[in-house]
Amino acid sequence: QSVLTQPPSASGTPGQRVTIPCSGSSSNIGSTYVYWYQQFPGTAPRVLIFRDDQRPSAVSDRFSGSKSGTSASLAISGLRAEDEADYYCASWDETMNGPVFGGGTKLTVL
Amino acid sequence: QVQLQESGPGLVKPSGSLSLTCEVSGASISSRNWWNWVRQSPGKGLEWIGEIYHSGSTNYNTSLKSRVTISLDKSSNHFSLELTSMTAADTAVYYCSRGGFGHFDSWGQGILVIVSS
Repeated sequence: QSVLTQPPSASGTPGQRVTIPCSGSSSNIGSTYVYWYQQFPGTAPRVLIFRDDQRPSAVSDRFSGSKSGTSASLAISGLRAEDEADYYCASWDETMNGPVFGGGTKLTVL
Repeated sequence: QVQLQESGPGLVKPSGSLSLTCEVSGASISSRNWWNWVRQSPGKGLEWIGEIYHSGSTNYNTSLKSRVTISLDKSSNHFSLELTSMTAADTAVYYCSRGGFGHFDSWGQGILVIVSS
């Protein structure tokens, strides 16, 4: 069981806006940054969002991150077929003294 | 642009030890960065194994701490993972990555390690 909680699946139709939630606690999301990763089958994850809401220059502005209290979310606007992938949230956990991941959300574009 | 490449055996016997190496190019492991190992069991999520700083300081996942050693080889610009007492539960794709505090900005392609006799 993962320290951070994500729904196992999410879906949307092309052009739609989809949000993936990530729930944690005061020892992780509530006190440190959140990161989001995208992973396609058979490939390594890549960072989509860092420090809660910052986007690497190579990442599309269709991806955005937000955080409130002990929860965070990843939003994908203008959904495209190529966005179909697994998405993971991550944060540092002060109790475990290490980074922790969510269980991942498989996004399906219908 | 930093690149990381894992190498090592793809098959380990139960109760045996795993040794993996991560070759780093485009950056020096002597720079102020944390170097990590992360694994992913088949069909499962990501699990952080541990990290090493350029100074040699290490942090390990508490659930694996008794079996893990991560080390640096500055002369060869690589870092390594050793995981002992392997069981089927350790079957996974093992990734090396750069970063700290949950922010992994560069990853290797991953290496599948199967524990089987």
